[in-house]
Amino acid sequence: EAQVTQNPRYLITVTGKKLTVTCSQNMNHEYMSWYRQDPGLGLRQIYYSMNVEVTDKGDVPEGYKVSRKEKRNFPLILESPSPNQTSLYFCASSSIPGRTDTQYFGPGTRLTVL
Amino acid sequence: QQQVKQSPQSLIVQKGGISIINCAYENTAFDYFPWYQQFPGKGPALLIAIRPDVSEKKEGRFTISFNKSAKQFSLHIMDSQPGDSATYFCAATVSGGYQKVTFGTGTKLQVIP
Repeated sequence: EAQVTQNPRYLITVTGKKLTVTCSQNMNHEYMSWYRQDPGLGLRQIYYSMNVEVTDKGDVPEGYKVSRKEKRNFPLILESPSPNQTSLYFCASSSIPGRTDTQYFGPGTRLTVL
Repeated sequence: QQQVKQSPQSLIVQKGGISIINCAYENTAFDYFPWYQQFPGKGPALLIAIRPDVSEKKEGRFTISFNKSAKQFSLHIMDSQPGDSATYFCAATVSGGYQKVTFGTGTKLQVIP
């Protein structure tokens, strides 16, 4: 089954404790992206990657890092989480770089930073 | 800066009625306008999309109307059903090369029996 998986699905942590949210896709997609979803703000892009070792900032990259060492994986790293990063995070992948009609979203990771 | 404005924020429609969600954009370079449907606990999923060379696109009970001169587009859900209850996001992007997608703020639709 074609899918994007994220782990963990739920996470409660404390300010300053480094964490990683993993994202993996089994569709051999080149393009992957991270979004955060907040009430009243919709989905905002954090980082994206066009292919292995190629990443770039989205609209709200501050406080986040990403890496793309393998095509299937695109982890999101919060080195020193803060309460304003409490949000619902989605990973997405696409077979054609940037083509939104083939973009698949993961199930989401709900992060709470105390 | 909110480049895609979506309204209403929430919508309650009776079963069988028409649900209408509106979006307006500012960037005239946008040339692809998808709508996403999101159920609770799930990620968004592409519902229907339109390019500005057509004024309307219909897929089953879902129709997008597009007004290029007004820079507005809307989603119409005909014969709304309780199973349509979800959050709907409009989005806009530019074709060619990397497409950065700009999303609206979402509309929570509730269809009551």
